[in-house]
Amino acid sequence: GENVEQHPSTLSVQEGDSAVIKCTYSDSASNYFPWYKQELGKRPQLIIDIRSNVGEKKDQRIAVTLNKTAKHFSLHITETQPEDSAVYFCAAISSGGSYIPTFGRGTSLIVHP
Amino acid sequence: DTGVSQNPRHKITKRGQNVTFRCDPISEHNRLYWYRQTLGQGPEFLTYFQNEAQLEKSRLLSDRFSAERPKGSFSTLEIQRTEQGDSAMYLCASSPGGIHYNEQFFGPGTRLTVL
Repeated sequence: GENVEQHPSTLSVQEGDSAVIKCTYSDSASNYFPWYKQELGKRPQLIIDIRSNVGEKKDQRIAVTLNKTAKHFSLHITETQPEDSAVYFCAAISSGGSYIPTFGRGTSLIVHP
Repeated sequence: DTGVSQNPRHKITKRGQNVTFRCDPISEHNRLYWYRQTLGQGPEFLTYFQNEAQLEKSRLLSDRFSAERPKGSFSTLEIQRTEQGDSAMYLCASSPGGIHYNEQFFGPGTRLTVL
């Protein structure tokens, strides 16, 4: 089955700095990669996703890059703000299979004002 | 609120008791997923429905766990003879389905504590 590794487990930055979270996956059939943000005590919410036919996607201060050859994808947050503080999860899914996501273990991002 | 809802939000039970959780997906979403999440971990897949059919079950889903989605709308997850190791957040998510994978919308979860 799919295995998703996520690093780092904790990331502490100063407000205004950039943050990068990296994930690797094992199943070459995976072709959809969402990122979820989960604030304390709240439900996970999708913030950005990428399909395997593109290498990069941006949405304001967040971007995701995908390297299919190396089987890794990354989340980039620029100009971080305190409200970006949360746990971020990556996931990998094969839409040619059972549409079941495998999640990483999460990265706790702390943005200090 | 037109999002995914789950009830109850919190459940405290004694070891050995049975518990049942309910998930109401977004209307017309034909895919429904159950996950378990423990502290410091990402959601772990438990089971998945396409309409009323249960299509996949994880190895994590022991015989004490059963899920139903009788009319293809709401779903229930029952845990029989609860154990302390069952303590976790149980998340439900729904998706519109289709030929491509679509975004999953998560519910707020049911936090289970087994004493």
